[in-house]
Amino acid sequence: DVKVTQSSRYLVKRTGEKVFLECVQDMDHENMFWYRQDPGLGLRLIYFSYDVKMKEKGDIPEGYSVSREKKERFSLILESASTNQTSMYLCASGTGGFYEQYFGPGTRLTVT
Amino acid sequence: KNEVEQSPQNLTAQEGEFITINCSYSVGISALHWLQQHPGGGIVSLFMLSSGKKKHGRLIATINIQEKHSSLHITASHPRDSAVYICAAYSGAGSYQLTFGKGTKLSVIP
Repeated sequence: DVKVTQSSRYLVKRTGEKVFLECVQDMDHENMFWYRQDPGLGLRLIYFSYDVKMKEKGDIPEGYSVSREKKERFSLILESASTNQTSMYLCASGTGGFYEQYFGPGTRLTVT
Repeated sequence: KNEVEQSPQNLTAQEGEFITINCSYSVGISALHWLQQHPGGGIVSLFMLSSGKKKHGRLIATINIQEKHSSLHITASHPRDSAVYICAAYSGAGSYQLTFGKGTKLSVIP
């Protein structure tokens, strides 16, 4: 079974803190994604990566950066957390073709 | 950019009822996914469709490419089917992205 793990299920941070969310997949997938999910807005793509050290902006990259130093690991960084970044963050990985994506369990981040 | 609309937003059903969730999209696609998200957050893929119909247990997914419409049906619904169901469209070669609907929250009452 494909496994995508995220470093935390719940996280509480203060405004202005630097926040790291980590995602690890064990299926040697080329593509990895970070989404945020908010009520009424659905899933929105923040960043994705199609190879090591490669990254592309998604629909809402402002306030975020990413790092992919190894194929299995994709990190989302909030340089200076703000309250409007309180959300559920979901990581996914997948291969090409018809683009099936496998999701991690999610991290519910609260910024106070 | 593809727009993906789902209906209804919320659905409450009695156990045993037949359920239909609809998904329409604005631009031609290569494939459409149906995803299930249980309370707590984890998302699992139910189906990936490019044409016709697929069945898995009590779940059936159909797609009409010409009408840009897909449906997810649940037969003999059960309280454990309570979840958010999300459709997502994949536009095709050259695109890495899925476009997601906002989800349909299903509650099945015993």
